[in-house]
Amino acid sequence: QQQVKQSPQSLIVQKGGISIINCAYENTAFDYFPWYQQFPGKGPALLIAIRPDVSEKKEGRFTISFNKSAKQFSLHIMDSQPGDSATYFCAARGPSYGKLTFGQGTILTVHP
Amino acid sequence: SQTIHQWPATLVQPVGSPLSLECTVEGTSNPNLYWYRQAAGRGLQLLFYSVGIGQISSEVPQNLSASRPQDRQFILSSKKLLLSDSGFYLCALSRAGTGNTIYFGEGSWLTVV
Repeated sequence: QQQVKQSPQSLIVQKGGISIINCAYENTAFDYFPWYQQFPGKGPALLIAIRPDVSEKKEGRFTISFNKSAKQFSLHIMDSQPGDSATYFCAARGPSYGKLTFGQGTILTVHP
Repeated sequence: SQTIHQWPATLVQPVGSPLSLECTVEGTSNPNLYWYRQAAGRGLQLLFYSVGIGQISSEVPQNLSASRPQDRQFILSSKKLLLSDSGFYLCALSRAGTGNTIYFGEGSWLTVV
């Protein structure tokens, strides 16, 4: 199973609020779980990533929570800002040549 | 650090015309290279990946082909474009080996009319 399921498709948050995006996977061979941020017309940029032997990773306002038994992981954006408005993709890397399987993306809008 | 150059940045081509999108990378040797397509501003689909010169693997059957004539050059081609080939094409790289982060270029917008 190579799918990564991401939800919600879109999210609207007020400035200062918490944005939460969830992803679920099936393939237990995935070994690395990055999140990418994409602004319109630009390529995706790596935001934060986690390995399955860690339950949580925090970088500034961004936190990944990882639940290996449930095969789920999520991105939390604390104190969301209008500049965080973008499309966010979760991904899972297979053991073969670093190929990434992406979720379908979440369009985040942070209102001022 | 590595950089990825893609060109052209935007392209409008008629149905049935050929296509060549070029990607060159700097700052790393023998990278793994990838072509992704993003349709309608959403999900990313892996089209091709390459672990070395002349080594191309295709992920999905389609109207496109890829080539890697040099270590740091990756080309996406088509002999005859279809309307369904329109999209945002992203070149990406990861360092040699299987355990490294994937970085994306700025993309090429293709509109087939």
